[in-house]
Amino acid sequence: SQQGEEDPQALSIQEGENATMNCSYKTSINNLQWYRQNSGRGLVHLILIRSNEREKHSGRLRVTLDTSKKSSSLLITASRAADTASYFCATTRGDGNKLVFGAGTILRVKS
Amino acid sequence: ETGVTQSPTHLIKTRGQQVTLRCSSQSGHNTVSWYQQALGQGPQFIFQYYREEENGRGNFPPRFSGLQFPNYSSELNVNALELDDSALYLCASRPGTGRNSYYEQYFGPGTRLTVT
Repeated sequence: SQQGEEDPQALSIQEGENATMNCSYKTSINNLQWYRQNSGRGLVHLILIRSNEREKHSGRLRVTLDTSKKSSSLLITASRAADTASYFCATTRGDGNKLVFGAGTILRVKS
Repeated sequence: ETGVTQSPTHLIKTRGQQVTLRCSSQSGHNTVSWYQQALGQGPQFIFQYYREEENGRGNFPPRFSGLQFPNYSSELNVNALELDDSALYLCASRPGTGRNSYYEQYFGPGTRLTVT
């Protein structure tokens, strides 16, 4: 079973626009991570936010975490065609030994 | 690219057969996890190995088994293949110091298994 639910399932935007993806989860967590996957290949780690953090930035990425609502959002600013990919949120709990992924958001950036 | 490699890239097997997938973890990483990703879904955790011992398992039957070697490379073995085993199998490593680690995971490119 998967813990996270991403919203929307698919997103299509123009190059230069911002893309926002949301993730909800069901149980308490230690941290939440976002990963990118190109064309059904390996996942690339984007950013990790700990449960005691509320916001984190990395380059064009901004992640927020609201543990009271059990939700997170990933904002990609000034999107590029190369950002076209599937994006997954994944959580870890107290045992820390597995990532629980959502079903992902498919992002398409049109040039 | 991460330093995690997987082989083979693609594999076609017949129902009932057995398969072995291989993973070389990134240098310095002693923890390896395996995930199964069905088409259109997120990856699902199969199990994790730390210092050659399994230290966590997801909801997969015993016909899914694994090994980790002293150099921290790993194998995933699946017996009695079923059609639903068709998926992308991903290996991930991290420099974890055991169960409680905040480290990100470094994924390999995956092995695409098709069972006919």
